[in-house]
Amino acid sequence: AQSVTQLDSQVPVFEEAPVELRCNYSSSVSVYLFWYVQYPNQGLQLLLKYLSGSTLVESINGFEAEFNKSQTSFHLRKPSVHISDTAEYFCAVRRVNDYKLSFGAGTTVTVRA
Amino acid sequence: GAGVSQTPSNKVTEKGKYVELRCDPISGHTALYWYRQSLGQGPEFLIYFQGTGAADDSGLPNDRFFAVRPEGSVSTLKIQRTERGDSAVYLCASSFGDGELFFGEGSRLTVL
Repeated sequence: AQSVTQLDSQVPVFEEAPVELRCNYSSSVSVYLFWYVQYPNQGLQLLLKYLSGSTLVESINGFEAEFNKSQTSFHLRKPSVHISDTAEYFCAVRRVNDYKLSFGAGTTVTVRA
Repeated sequence: GAGVSQTPSNKVTEKGKYVELRCDPISGHTALYWYRQSLGQGPEFLIYFQGTGAADDSGLPNDRFFAVRPEGSVSTLKIQRTERGDSAVYLCASSFGDGELFFGEGSRLTVL
């Protein structure tokens, strides 16, 4: 079985400051990696994913995550956050050729002016 | 809208009662998933449908939980003899094959 650890439950950050959300996983087999975002009063949305190829993946709104196999990590970063980035962020893994997602406990990002 | 629709958005019930939660997936999506999100935790897998059949129900916590998808579209999650520990947000997601999952906004269940 695979598991996901999000090391920070709450991350307060000022607008235009950088943010990093840490995610580590454990799995005995190859996995796909995902970050989901949940804005207030909305459903989970896929932010970005790593399936194969380049270990650095980017989203359309400026987030990026890097898959590090040796450290079993998939940390999420944004160099300059906006108020609208206030949300809960979930890291998730899925075994290759499987369909079940295993989620971390989530990190709440609160962006202040 | 064209997204995954879940009803009710909020349900308050008393311990021991029966509850049904409905999920209307995106049209044409063959796969449907139920997840449960307890307070302070990430979503946990409950059950997966491919078409009409439950391909994997290994995440259902006990036999009080049951889900159906009789026509391969709408799904209903049924909980019998509810307990306070069943209080959570129940999330439904759908996908086309093994593509990206699209989640609904969830049904928040509170058992008093």
